Amino acid sequence: ETGVTQTPRHLVMGMTNKKSLKCEQHLGHNAMYWYKQSAKKPLELMFVYSLEERVENNSVPSRFSPECPNSSHLFLHLHTLQPEDSALYLCASSQAGWEGGMNEQFFGPGTRLTVL
Amino acid sequence: GIQVEQSPPDLILQEGANSTLRCNFSDSVNNLQWFHQNPWGQLINLFYIPSGTKQNGRLSATTVATERYSLLYISSSQTTDSGVYFCAAQLVRDDKIIFGKGTRLHILP
Repeated sequence: ETGVTQTPRHLVMGMTNKKSLKCEQHLGHNAMYWYKQSAKKPLELMFVYSLEERVENNSVPSRFSPECPNSSHLFLHLHTLQPEDSALYLCASSQAGWEGGMNEQFFGPGTRLTVL
Repeated sequence: GIQVEQSPPDLILQEGANSTLRCNFSDSVNNLQWFHQNPWGQLINLFYIPSGTKQNGRLSATTVATERYSLLYISSSQTTDSGVYFCAAQLVRDDKIIFGKGTRLHILP
């Protein structure tokens, strides 16, 4: 157990559905991250929240919408996804905020998303 | 473009063997981290090592930022070491985090 939980662990959705992924960290950390891991591609950083403010967004399509209501919770809202969005979505947290740059990160188990 | 390259891409070893995994980066970095992803997809932080050498049990890592590489050493391999090892580097120029494609390690009993 890394102290970072994600739900659901598996999700199958149609292209017209709206769903949300949830991440919760129990470590008292100040920054949270969403990553996408596609088959045969390197991990991609999608969003970074530091002290609940979005500080990094690596040109992610608008059909992915993050939300960070407090320092312990992070959501990824999904809307009208495409089949190529099928991937493992990983959440991570770090003690230091992003202003210190990349810090030691702890990952959740991921949500395996399949878009039909 | 900026590259983070890991080698070898695949490695099969007998239990008990030692191995060295390499991460090269094409630009200056100010942070580097090694991860292990087990066969069930769980990504585990191994080392946060922007420079120098760290050791944790059978694993150790060394980053030589001036020469743009990092090494992960695994000694006396066990079957539970199987999985994919990733390095991730944060670039000095724009703070982007880039992951390598990983080294897939398979330890045979």
